[in-house]
Amino acid sequence: QSALTQPASVSGSPGQSITISCTGTSSDVGSYNLVSWYQHHPGKAPKLMIYEDSKRPSGVSNRFSGSKSGNTASLTISGLQAEDEADYYCCSYAGSYTSYVIFGGGTKLTVL
Amino acid sequence: EVQLVESGGGLVQPGGSLRLSCAASGFTFSSYSMNWVRQAPGKGLEWVSYISSGSRTTNYADSVKGRFTISRDNAKNSLYLQMNSLRAEDTAVYSCARVSPGSNYVFDIWGQGTMVTVSS
Repeated sequence: QSALTQPASVSGSPGQSITISCTGTSSDVGSYNLVSWYQHHPGKAPKLMIYEDSKRPSGVSNRFSGSKSGNTASLTISGLQAEDEADYYCCSYAGSYTSYVIFGGGTKLTVL
Repeated sequence: EVQLVESGGGLVQPGGSLRLSCAASGFTFSSYSMNWVRQAPGKGLEWVSYISSGSRTTNYADSVKGRFTISRDNAKNSLYLQMNSLRAEDTAVYSCARVSPGSNYVFDIWGQGTMVTVSS
């Protein structure tokens, strides 16, 4: 099972909005409403930001939103803030006969 | 405070073994399924292994199947990963992660990780 495809990097200025894409296949992203997104500041524990494609855990800012169309999921961050600078990973259920879950390669978000 | 703290990483020669531990606190450990996830230097996250709350079900990535064994001791609030026949490509930061109680395949709490380096 190949990793999900994410852009290596994205950038934006404070206050702007950015979107990170996550492309899988009809066997994973496209088949289940089970895409999650994680924020990872190097050296710290990853943090769950979005689950089940578009649900936001309690305590996560509403500036973060998730969506999906076909085999591609997206994470949008609005009103960019300096503390949003981090690595972001998507993750999807991969089907019961394969790996438990698969991750994307990660996207480095730079806040200019 | 809900917390996961990994330990046991270090430098090991190819073909060697290492046992990682993950200490859980701040929640009822025995009620949650757990996972190990790793990140090789300069690479993305890779799921490694899963264990159900009562240890009945385990699952492994193809890359570690037959070499790694996941286990847990609910009385000690601890998760383990026994790693045998280690290879250079196993070099990574290994983190434990809790499965969300409300949604399978979602990791709601993570540890910071412990570094494993496989090198001669």
